[in-house]
Amino acid sequence: GAGVSQTPSNKVTEKGKYVELRCDPISGHTALYWYRQSLGQGPEFLIYFQGTGAADDSGLPNDRFFAVRPEGSVSTLKIQRTERGDSAVYLCASSFRPDRDSPNEQFFGPGTRLTVL
Amino acid sequence: AQKITQTQPGMFVQEKEAVTLDCTYDTSDQSYGLFWYKQPSSGEMIFLIYQGSYDEQNATEGRYSLNFQKARKSANLVISASQLGDSAMYFCAMKGGSYIPTFGRGTSLIVHP
Repeated sequence: GAGVSQTPSNKVTEKGKYVELRCDPISGHTALYWYRQSLGQGPEFLIYFQGTGAADDSGLPNDRFFAVRPEGSVSTLKIQRTERGDSAVYLCASSFRPDRDSPNEQFFGPGTRLTVL
Repeated sequence: AQKITQTQPGMFVQEKEAVTLDCTYDTSDQSYGLFWYKQPSSGEMIFLIYQGSYDEQNATEGRYSLNFQKARKSANLVISASQLGDSAMYFCAMKGGSYIPTFGRGTSLIVHP
């Protein structure tokens, strides 16, 4: 079946501009995660959705970052007034609802490489 | 708070040999899960193996096995019979009660022919 897809694969923008990154999770996965990965680092958690609601947004670095998942499937990560430090690969992952007794491993998309000039 | 430490920035192994990638963790949660992911140069994270904190036996998935030593808080990944296609970044991750995984910084593995 289809995996997690992310669009665009690459995005180049200028400092101060607004960008939207899209994630289409695996059908049936209720949990959706956004991560940011800088060069030489592991994925850094941004936000976690369970269904339509943001269950945990503690990883969002500041109020320029916002994410939505209005119908419980596709999610959009929105970054306002982009800064050069926002340049990174933004990864999306989905899974079944987290459960203490099951791995419910995350399935990752290919990422969006954001470059802010 | 959860913390994952991967102390090996890079590892080299000869094709067909076995290699161990180190991972230590720290958590105050009693129940947690440990994961290993592979990230090839294409960028996509690929799930490899999972170990639950209450699992008594070490997890195995094909050529991958997880050497879980709970008292030492280590969860090392062992890859047997390395293949050229195993060259990639490998990330150890942990998920506790918050359900938010914490990832290590990764280890780069290069398999030589």
